[in-house]
Amino acid sequence: GAGVSQSPSNKVTEKGKDVELRCDPISGHTALYWYRQRLGQGLEFLIYFQGNSAPDKSGLPSDRFSAERTGESVSTLTIQRTQQEDSAVYLCASSRGTEAFFGQGTRLTVV
Amino acid sequence: GEDVEQSLFLSVREGDSSVINCTYTDSSSTYLYWYKQEPGAGLQLLTYIFSNMDMKQDQRLTVLLNKKDKHLSLRIADTQTGDSAIYFCAESKPGGYNKLIFGAGTRLAVHP
Repeated sequence: GAGVSQSPSNKVTEKGKDVELRCDPISGHTALYWYRQRLGQGLEFLIYFQGNSAPDKSGLPSDRFSAERTGESVSTLTIQRTQQEDSAVYLCASSRGTEAFFGQGTRLTVV
Repeated sequence: GEDVEQSLFLSVREGDSSVINCTYTDSSSTYLYWYKQEPGAGLQLLTYIFSNMDMKQDQRLTVLLNKKDKHLSLRIADTQTGDSAIYFCAESKPGGYNKLIFGAGTRLAVHP
């Protein structure tokens, strides 16, 4: 596709369930980022992938959060045992240089 | 404290200029960015400036960088109602890649 694609666009889950969010970056983009945006707040860095290098996981808020990416392809962000405070929009971005392109995000609601 | 700070709200009259300010803490930041987020939409890159530049102009947008004070501003000339959005300042951390750190965003409201 032409842009960064995220799925699902919306996800409602029950507290305690696991969720998996998907990001399809722009083809050829070596860098991929995940951010979290809580309602009315800025973007909180979660994790960064650059090619085959070890990811920068310094922003993951707890061990319930994990992310994977194989090479320069799709990435999945997994949240285990979801809590209500995990409710947010999860944004993915990809880049091959100076500019990062963002997807539309996945709105996660934990009830 | 926060790496990147912005005022949260700005209200301007249509046709006036808007100036959105941002301060950052890392003097080794390589690039500084302005992103725009419209309601219900993703982030759109408006412009960016390399850290060795003082100013960059792109149509109605002017970015000023004061590296000594670690202060970045975005000026929007002839502000229109379509400019109403949240504007995020971001810095890229050095270290071989552009890890972006965002401010909390400034909500720009344009009124007639």
